[in-house]
Amino acid sequence: GAGVSQSPRYKVAKRGQDVALRCDPISGHVSLFWYQQALGQGPEFLTYFQNEAQLDKSGLPSDRFFAERPEGSVSTLKIQRTQQEDSAVYLCASSLLAVVRTQYFGPGTRLLVL
Amino acid sequence: KQEVTQIPAALSVPEGENLVLNCSFTDSAIYNLQWFRQDPGKGLTSLLLIQSSQREQTSGRLNASLDKSSGRSTLYIAASQPGDSATYLCAVRVNRDDKIIFGKGTRLHILP
Repeated sequence: GAGVSQSPRYKVAKRGQDVALRCDPISGHVSLFWYQQALGQGPEFLTYFQNEAQLDKSGLPSDRFFAERPEGSVSTLKIQRTQQEDSAVYLCASSLLAVVRTQYFGPGTRLLVL
Repeated sequence: KQEVTQIPAALSVPEGENLVLNCSFTDSAIYNLQWFRQDPGKGLTSLLLIQSSQREQTSGRLNASLDKSSGRSTLYIAASQPGDSATYLCAVRVNRDDKIIFGKGTRLHILP
């Protein structure tokens, strides 16, 4: 079976541009997580969905960041008016059940804002 | 606020040696602790998951221990191989919370 996939794998954006990052979780996985990983750092939690419900968005760094999962499967992380400090790898993970099961990570989208 | 620290930040050892990676966390009220491996340009691969009620988990040449009361975990790698070269991340899940809090990782390089 396919794992978690993310697209694009690489994105270069000019400062001020809007970007959209896509995550396709493992089929049937209820929970979906987004993390941001800056260079040389560990991943930091951004937001969490259970099915289509966004249960925790406390990690989103500003109101320029928005995530959705309208049908409880594919999720999109949108960043408006990108800034240089948004440059990072954005990781998506899914799990069968949030608390009990391990999270399976996608390869990430590497975003570079110039 | 839960904080996870990993020491050392980087480590180079000759092939064949046994090694230990360290992880510490500030709040002992965790649900579980997990060790991940991250290869350059790739996502994270879960290596071992230890529930809060457990003391250790083993998988092949890997052994992870957990001492909740002291806020520490170690990842032991036996008979290291060049293919073990990667960044190893320690992460804790906070009780009654879905977040995983990661350390910054240890970059491991096994010298052939």
